Amino acid sequence: KQEVTQIPAALSVPEGENLVLNCSFTDSAIYNLQWFRQDPGKGLTSLLLIQSSQREQTSGRLNASLDKSSGRSTLYIAASQPGDSATYLCAVKRGNTGKLIFGQGTTLQVKP
Amino acid sequence: GAVVSQHPSRVICKSGTSVKIECRSLDFQATTMFWYRQFPKKSLMLMATSNEGSKATYEQGVEKDKFLINHASLTLSTLTVTSAHPEDSSFYICSARGAVGEKLFFGSGTQLSVL
Repeated sequence: KQEVTQIPAALSVPEGENLVLNCSFTDSAIYNLQWFRQDPGKGLTSLLLIQSSQREQTSGRLNASLDKSSGRSTLYIAASQPGDSATYLCAVKRGNTGKLIFGQGTTLQVKP
Repeated sequence: GAVVSQHPSRVICKSGTSVKIECRSLDFQATTMFWYRQFPKKSLMLMATSNEGSKATYEQGVEKDKFLINHASLTLSTLTVTSAHPEDSSFYICSARGAVGEKLFFGSGTQLSVL
């Protein structure tokens, strides 16, 4: 059974700092991995999607890496801003069914 | 990007009543929709997968008679929580996938509070 874990559960950093969020999964046979952002009481916004054959994806200040063999992914946020404050969720897709298995999320607070 | 509209955003109801949540894909045809449930500070748990025109597939442990899902058109899926009880209080989120591509687009969620 696939399990997805995110560490830390919460993180508080001063504005401008670079930071890394971690995601690990137990079954390396994944189809792809996605990072999402969720604001309080809101839905999810997809940030980055990494196919199983890829090692990283970049979008602006965000960079996500994937190491399937070790069952790990990281989300790197450069030059953090208060507007980055949110909960970040990673999710792995098993096969082509569309089902996503989510981690518990990391709640990030960027202090001005 | 694609937009998925979910409403209501918040509903408070008395125990025993039924609540319907709608999920609409506004600018694409959603061949598959997913319904998730999220507890405070917890992960999203997949409840069921629905394909247009066919019965929903429920995840293990999810009562299909309790959570009725209808996907009657390519742009609309509904989740009805029947005879709601306080333990059904939760945040419910839908997501939709079109015929092409792999990205899922999420609704803004519905906070259900059952008194």
